[in-house]
Amino acid sequence: DAGVIQSPRHEVTEMGQEVTLRCKPISGHNSLFWYRQTMMRGLELLIYFNNNVPIDDSGMPEDRFSAKMPNASFSTLKIQPSEPRDSAVYFCASSSTKGSDPPERAFFGQGTRLTVV
Amino acid sequence: AQRVTQPEKLLSVFKGAPVELKCNYSYSGSPELFWYVQYSRQRLQLLLRHISRESIKGFTADLNKGETSFHLKKPFAQEEDSAMYYCALLTGANNLFFGTGTRLTVIP
Repeated sequence: DAGVIQSPRHEVTEMGQEVTLRCKPISGHNSLFWYRQTMMRGLELLIYFNNNVPIDDSGMPEDRFSAKMPNASFSTLKIQPSEPRDSAVYFCASSSTKGSDPPERAFFGQGTRLTVV
Repeated sequence: AQRVTQPEKLLSVFKGAPVELKCNYSYSGSPELFWYVQYSRQRLQLLLRHISRESIKGFTADLNKGETSFHLKKPFAQEEDSAMYYCALLTGANNLFFGTGTRLTVIP
C-alpha cells in the first residue's frame, strides 16, 4: 500500500492565483482530514470528511478556502485567491472509523509545501 | 474549547540524557491523547496513545488529569530520536487537535 498520496509535493505560486492541492487516501479508509502546518500555529485541522461528506469545516480559515471529496478515493483543497500568509505545509490524512479503528490511527501523507509569493 | 499546548518549540539534550517533552491540554470532556512524531523527510506517524499505556522506542507518556498534562519521556535519549514531536487531543467528535510541536535535537 502506497499510503496517503498528496500532490504536488511543492507548489510555488503568485499571490492572487488559484491553488489546488490533491489527496488520495488509503483505499478502504472512510475518513479524510486536511491539516495545515505552520511554525506559529503548528498543526491545525482545516476540515474533516466522513464517507465523502464534510463533517466539520470550522477550521477552514476563510471563504477563500474550499475542500471537496467527490468520491472515496480523491479530495481537493482549493485556495482562491491565494495570499502569502497561506504559505504552509498542508497535510492530508485518512483513517477508518469502522468498527474498532477510530481516527487516532490516522495515516498522513507527505504533505504539500505551498509558497505564495 | 479544546486546546493543546506544547510550551517548548525547541529542545536539545545530549545523547544518553533523559528527555521530557511537555504537553498540556484543555478539554471539557474525557480526553484521549496521543503523541505523533515526524522524522526528517518522513511522514507524520503515531508514536503512542495514552489508552494503550505502551512504551514505544523507549518513550512513555502518562496522562495526569489533575495537572491536565501528557508529557512524553525517555530515560536515555538516542540520536535517532531527533525529530518533531506533536501532542494531539481527540475530541468526542473524532477530531484531532494538535499542539504546535517540539523539535527535539539529540546532541551526540
